Amino acid sequence: DTGVSQNPRHKITKRGQNVTFRCDPISEHNRLYWYRQTLGQGPEFLTYFQNEAQLEKSRLLSDRFSAERPKGSFSTLEIQRTEQGDSAMYLCASSSPRGSETQYFGPGTRLLVL
Amino acid sequence: GEDVEQSLFLSVREGDSSVINCTYTDSSSTYLYWYKQEPGAGLQLLTYIFSNMDMKQDQRLTVLLNKKDKHLSLRIADTQTGDSAIYFCAETATGANNLFFGTGTRLTVIP
Repeated sequence: DTGVSQNPRHKITKRGQNVTFRCDPISEHNRLYWYRQTLGQGPEFLTYFQNEAQLEKSRLLSDRFSAERPKGSFSTLEIQRTEQGDSAMYLCASSSPRGSETQYFGPGTRLLVL
Repeated sequence: GEDVEQSLFLSVREGDSSVINCTYTDSSSTYLYWYKQEPGAGLQLLTYIFSNMDMKQDQRLTVLLNKKDKHLSLRIADTQTGDSAIYFCAETATGANNLFFGTGTRLTVIP
């Protein structure tokens, strides 16, 4: 399977706990994006990496959120001290800088904070 | 800021054509995209159109772009029950790398 993969697919946690999600992009893609999608809404941009450099962060990305892409391949998104409002689907996408720069999405990680 | 708008719901009978509409705000978007999302799943790219094109056809899908009115549409011919899903249009904004999405149109195909 050469698509974008995300783990875990589902996560249930208690308020105040930390969670970490992983994204493995398509292998030749150097660009990686994180989005958040809440019920009934379209995805909203969180952050963007080109190789290992985090080049853009949305104002949605509060100081409880941190994302890394240490070797320019997989990325992790960590949420510290989770709140009920963090419950959402977290989507990862990757793209190549060539051509249409189309972003290909993974299946998402659904987070439920109790 | 960028604002992408779509109607929320569309119902069609199996075999009919579906037309999903979208309006966007950034006239300098280079590409505009249509994604499909089935329940509990990620987004599947359906098609995209380059901003200097008026129309693009790909099998049962036809995309029309009216740059003057900043209007994008997706026509699905011979709609099937498997086409039932939420459809998102998305644009890239000037100077940004991320996509801006509409709220999505939930297409229901009635057998």
